[in-house]
Amino acid sequence: EAGVAQSPRYKIIEKRQSVAFWCNPISGHATLYWYQQILGQGPKLLIQFQNNGVVDDSQLPKDRFSAERLKGVDSTLKIQPAKLEDSAVYLCASRGQGLNSPLHFGNGTRLTVT
Amino acid sequence: DAKTTQPNSMESNEEEPVHLPCNHSTISGTDYIHWYRQLPSQGPEYVIHGLTSNVNNRMASLAIAEDRKSSTLILHRATLRDAAVYYCILRPPNNNAGNMLTFGGGTRLMVKP
Repeated sequence: EAGVAQSPRYKIIEKRQSVAFWCNPISGHATLYWYQQILGQGPKLLIQFQNNGVVDDSQLPKDRFSAERLKGVDSTLKIQPAKLEDSAVYLCASRGQGLNSPLHFGNGTRLTVT
Repeated sequence: DAKTTQPNSMESNEEEPVHLPCNHSTISGTDYIHWYRQLPSQGPEYVIHGLTSNVNNRMASLAIAEDRKSSTLILHRATLRDAAVYYCILRPPNNNAGNMLTFGGGTRLMVKP
């Protein structure tokens, strides 16, 4: 099966600019996650979707970050305006049915804010 | 959420077994123990999970202490491709956040040829 696709692979922007990341999960996976991974740290959950509904966005900085999954398939994560501390890898993951079904991660988008 | 404690880094020689420890003294009776690994420049990938009994799959073995306060991921013959950060994660069966994974810092495994 095809894995989780993310684009772009790399992005460099200046602070106060806006940026968007795209994720296409594994076909049929209803649950989708966005994680932020700062260099040297483990991934931190930003938002979780079940189909096109938000399950948990408690750690999403809502003043600048937004995410959507309009048709319950693809998802986009947006940052506007970006800050220097947003420099990180943004990982998308999806999960199939079943209590302990594993998360499948994409290879992420590496964002550098200058 | 219950937390895990792992060594920051470990070294191993190629083709030797590797035992990666994880302490989780506050684990609840229904928490599953999951392991993921992250190779350089890639997203994390699932390795194995268990509840009480030891588990084996094609990638690794998971040994769970009888009191469940610790576990060990075992790579039977380390290869250079096993060099990665290994994360031990406790996963409640039905937490309010919908089965998300909370990652800690993990153990960076270095494999020497």
